[in-house]
Amino acid sequence: DAGVTQSPTHLIKTRGQHVTLRCSPISGHKSVSWYQQVLGQGPQFIFQYYEKEERGRGNFPDRFSARQFPNYSSELNVNALLLGDSALYLCASSPGTSGDSYEQYFGPGTRLTVT
Amino acid sequence: LAKTTQPISMDSYEGQEVNITCSHNNIATNDYITWYQQFPSQGPRFIIQGYKTKVTNEVASLFIPADRKSSTLSLPRVSLSDTAVYYCLVGVPGKGGYNKLIFGAGTRLAVHP
Repeated sequence: DAGVTQSPTHLIKTRGQHVTLRCSPISGHKSVSWYQQVLGQGPQFIFQYYEKEERGRGNFPDRFSARQFPNYSSELNVNALLLGDSALYLCASSPGTSGDSYEQYFGPGTRLTVT
Repeated sequence: LAKTTQPISMDSYEGQEVNITCSHNNIATNDYITWYQQFPSQGPRFIIQGYKTKVTNEVASLFIPADRKSSTLSLPRVSLSDTAVYYCLVGVPGKGGYNKLIFGAGTRLAVHP
């Protein structure tokens, strides 16, 4: 079975531009979360979506937005890019059923470089 | 939110048992302790989670004392391929059961021949 897939794998943008990152969860998983990982640090939570609804938001500015589609895939959008947005953007999926599981399945990430 | 503190780095040798201890002094009653592993240029991978006492799976064991203010990840007989960053997380129950992961800085484990 395919794992979580993300596209593109690498991206170079200039300051002020907009970027869209895409994620396809594991088949059957209904929850998608987005994380930002700056070099040398742990991933930082950005958003969580379940059944097309936002279920959680981290401490990120409004330039960051996301959505989930009926097929449970997801997009992360970042407007007005800053140099500090350069990072590895990770998508993770989970079944999304309520309960006490903290097991999420991460994709390989999209490496965004802002120049 | 509960904050975790763990060693920045550790060194070990092949075949040894490695224990990584994490402190989470202000863990809440409903929070779970979770550990993830991350290799360079890859997303994190779930290792184990627990609430109290001891949990064991095919990869590792997790020891949690009664006060739950710390936890220890135990990796038996490490190999070179266990060289990675290990994150101790507190899993925060989210709205409607959709749980959130709060990552810290992690422990860089280097396994030497």
